[in-house]
Amino acid sequence: DTAVSQTPKYLVTQMGNDKSIKCEQNLGHDTMYWYKQDSKKFLKIMFSYNNKELIINETVPNRFSPKSPDKAHLNLHINSLELGDSAVYFCASSPGTSGGANTQYFGPGTRLTVL
Amino acid sequence: GENVEQHPSTLSVQEGDSAVIKCTYSDSASNYFPWYKQELGKRPQLIIDIRSNVGEKKDQRIAVTLNKTAKHFSLHITETQPEDSAVYFCAASSYSSASKIIFGSGTRLSIRP
Repeated sequence: DTAVSQTPKYLVTQMGNDKSIKCEQNLGHDTMYWYKQDSKKFLKIMFSYNNKELIINETVPNRFSPKSPDKAHLNLHINSLELGDSAVYFCASSPGTSGGANTQYFGPGTRLTVL
Repeated sequence: GENVEQHPSTLSVQEGDSAVIKCTYSDSASNYFPWYKQELGKRPQLIIDIRSNVGEKKDQRIAVTLNKTAKHFSLHITETQPEDSAVYFCAASSYSSASKIIFGSGTRLSIRP
């Protein structure tokens, strides 16, 4: 009965590698997000998709590329990993974009450590 | 764009006392203000929210107030308990920002036994 799930939970890798994080939601929501939470706990939005279409793309390096094969899945691929990419990455979903009441349902997070 | 400021960054209160966390927002079009609680090593979870047509909302020991004129909103936790220890985030969103929610910087609340 998991609502928003992410894999993997932990990811340890070397600088320069390419890695992917997967996210799936079974809530029937239209909108999905990727957030980055750094060591100071700041929650920063990176991307948002609504029904497979990119609607938010914050100032994120081109090395980060999201992909939404369908509205229940949003994956994040990161090329040429750097030390500064170390963080916890949260996937989230919300019912939609209308009304501004876009309550976020977060996944468990993926802790990425770049060595 | 929207900016949300949150204070204090850390807060320590005696068990049983009240805790108050304050946020201000910049976009007068903001109309939805959720609060999230994040326990250590866990995901942020919604604890209460308020819309701009309401001035106050309560849910047991938790209440949120909104002052649209001053662009302030606050979280009040009464009769604090050890399980209230966590990081709390305020957030704001509006019709004009599509689906974007802007989070405050978080408040680490510690409850002293």
